[in-house]
Amino acid sequence: NAGVMQNPRHLVRRRGQEARLRCSPMKGHSHVYWYRQLPEEGLKFMVYLQKENIIDESGMPKERFSAEFPKEGPSILRIQQVVRGDSAAYFCASSPTSGGTPPETQYFGPGTRLLVL
Amino acid sequence: QQQVKQSPQSLIVQKGGISIINCAYENTAFDYFPWYQQFPGKGPALLIAIRPDVSEKKEGRFTISFNKSAKQFSLHIMDSQPGDSATYFCAASMNTGFQKLVFGTGTRLLVSP
Repeated sequence: NAGVMQNPRHLVRRRGQEARLRCSPMKGHSHVYWYRQLPEEGLKFMVYLQKENIIDESGMPKERFSAEFPKEGPSILRIQQVVRGDSAAYFCASSPTSGGTPPETQYFGPGTRLLVL
Repeated sequence: QQQVKQSPQSLIVQKGGISIINCAYENTAFDYFPWYQQFPGKGPALLIAIRPDVSEKKEGRFTISFNKSAKQFSLHIMDSQPGDSATYFCAASMNTGFQKLVFGTGTRLLVSP
């Protein structure tokens, strides 16, 4: 059973360009979470999605950032008009369900390292 | 209130020694406290987790100690090995229908041979 897949692993963009980060959850998982890790910091929650629905995007900047998880295909985190401050590692996690007691484990992908020049 | 404070930032332990990493939180609504291990170039992987109804959980060489009144929890790695060298993150979440993890800033552990 393949783990969470993310691509690309490394992405270099110039200021003002668009960045598209892809995440394929583990087989059988329909819940996807995106986190951002700035240098020397912990991971910070950005958005939680189920198939075709954004459930919670409270951690995502209001402008330039968007996420989707279509019925078919991977989840996409899209950053428009990137700025140097967007340089970070972006991690996707997936789980088979959400909540519960104990909570379902979130399985993380290897991340996409975005560098904005 | 949503922060989880983690210390130390880095830690060097000799092989066979005990590694101790501490975390503290403010939000008493948190009800799940996992620890994640991250190797360079990889994503975090769940190591061990605890709920606040128990004060200690042990899995192999890894133990979580939980102090609800002090709002603190810690990870103890017994008989530390060079292969344990990694970055460790504590985290906390509350049941809001899904698990929105709040992470500490991480501890970089180096176990010297």
